[in-house]
Amino acid sequence: KQEVTQIPAALSVPEGENLVLNCSFTDSAIYNLQWFRQDPGKGLTSLLLIQSSQREQTSGRLNASLDKSSGRSTLYIAASQPGDSATYLCAVSGNQGGKLIFGQGTELSVKP
Amino acid sequence: GAVVSQHPSRVICKSGTSVKIECRSLDFQATTMFWYRQFPKQSLMLMATSNEGSKATYEQGVEKDKFLINHASLTLSTLTVTSAHPEDSSFYICSASHGTRNTGELFFGEGSRLTVL
Repeated sequence: KQEVTQIPAALSVPEGENLVLNCSFTDSAIYNLQWFRQDPGKGLTSLLLIQSSQREQTSGRLNASLDKSSGRSTLYIAASQPGDSATYLCAVSGNQGGKLIFGQGTELSVKP
Repeated sequence: GAVVSQHPSRVICKSGTSVKIECRSLDFQATTMFWYRQFPKQSLMLMATSNEGSKATYEQGVEKDKFLINHASLTLSTLTVTSAHPEDSSFYICSASHGTRNTGELFFGEGSRLTVL
């Protein structure tokens, strides 16, 4: 059974810092991995999607890497801003169009 | 493209009543939709997978008679919480798989917060 773990559960950093969020999964037979952002009381915003054959994806200040063999992914946020404060969730899918299994999330707070 | 809309965004109901939540894919056909539940400060837990025109597949521990799911068209899935009780109060989120893209990316609705008094 696939299990997804995110570390740390919460993180507080001053504005401007670069930071890394970690995600690990127990079954390396994944189809893809997605990183999401969730603001309090809101739905999910997709940030990055990495296919199992890919090593990383970049969007603006965000970079996500994937090491499928070791069951790990990282989300790197450069030059953090207060507007980045949110909960970040990673999720893996076992097949195309299949259900996502979510980690518990990392609650990020960026202090001005 | 790939927008998923949920309605209502918030609903308050009395214990014992039934509540229907709609999930629509606005600009694409969704062959498969998923319903998740999220408790405060917790992650998303998959409740069921629905495929257009067939019965939903429920995750272990989810009562199918309690949470009725209908996926009658390629753009609409509904979740009905029957005889709701306070413990059903939660944030419900749907997601949809794009029928013609092969990336496997899922698109999420804005969520529906249910409060049962």
